[in-house]
Amino acid sequence: QSALTQPASVSGSPGQSTTVSCTGSFDDIGKYNLVSWYQQHPGEAPKLLIYDVLKRPSGVSDRFSGSKSGNTASLTISGLQADDEAHYYCCSYAGLSTVVFGGGTKLTVL
Amino acid sequence: QVTLKESGPALVKPTQTLTVTCTFSGFSLSSPGVRVAWVRQPPGKALEWLARFDYDGSRFYSTSLKTRLTISKDTSKNQVVLTLTNTDPADTATYFCTRMIDSGWAFDVWGRGTMVTVS
Repeated sequence: QSALTQPASVSGSPGQSTTVSCTGSFDDIGKYNLVSWYQQHPGEAPKLLIYDVLKRPSGVSDRFSGSKSGNTASLTISGLQADDEAHYYCCSYAGLSTVVFGGGTKLTVL
Repeated sequence: QVTLKESGPALVKPTQTLTVTCTFSGFSLSSPGVRVAWVRQPPGKALEWLARFDYDGSRFYSTSLKTRLTISKDTSKNQVVLTLTNTDPADTATYFCTRMIDSGWAFDVWGRGTMVTVS
């Protein structure tokens, strides 16, 4: 299966909102509501932000929200903060008990 | 508190077998619904899912690497072990162990990872 497509970078100013897109195909994002999103700061392990397209684990700020339309999933971060500067990865179930990750997006808070 | 910790060699020679171990606590891999997976990340690159081990002994592998991967568990030691045969410099990466959420396909608790260089 091919990796999901994410923009290499996005940016935003503190307090603004920004959206990271994740484009796949009908065989992964399009067919299944099993998209998750992860935040990774340099030198750290990824942190789960969103699962099942739009669910937030306990303890994750409600500034993070997820959605899906067709073969594209999106992560929206509202009220940008300096600590949001990190890499963000999407992930989708791709059938046959496998998953595929996106290439990652670097968020810069201006 | 759920924790996972990876361990393994820092350096492996090409064509050798790479073995990394995940030692976990705070949950039992024998409990229904529990699943542990391995994900790797080459330096400066994206995450890549490798394999999954389920509470009932089921095992699942990345399509592209399944001929080289084996995942197993040592219940007495609360460990999950991943082996990768016939290594290549392209296998140089940080190898993360992660527990999956109760249902679906997401990774909710991660270890800090162990960096393995193939050279």
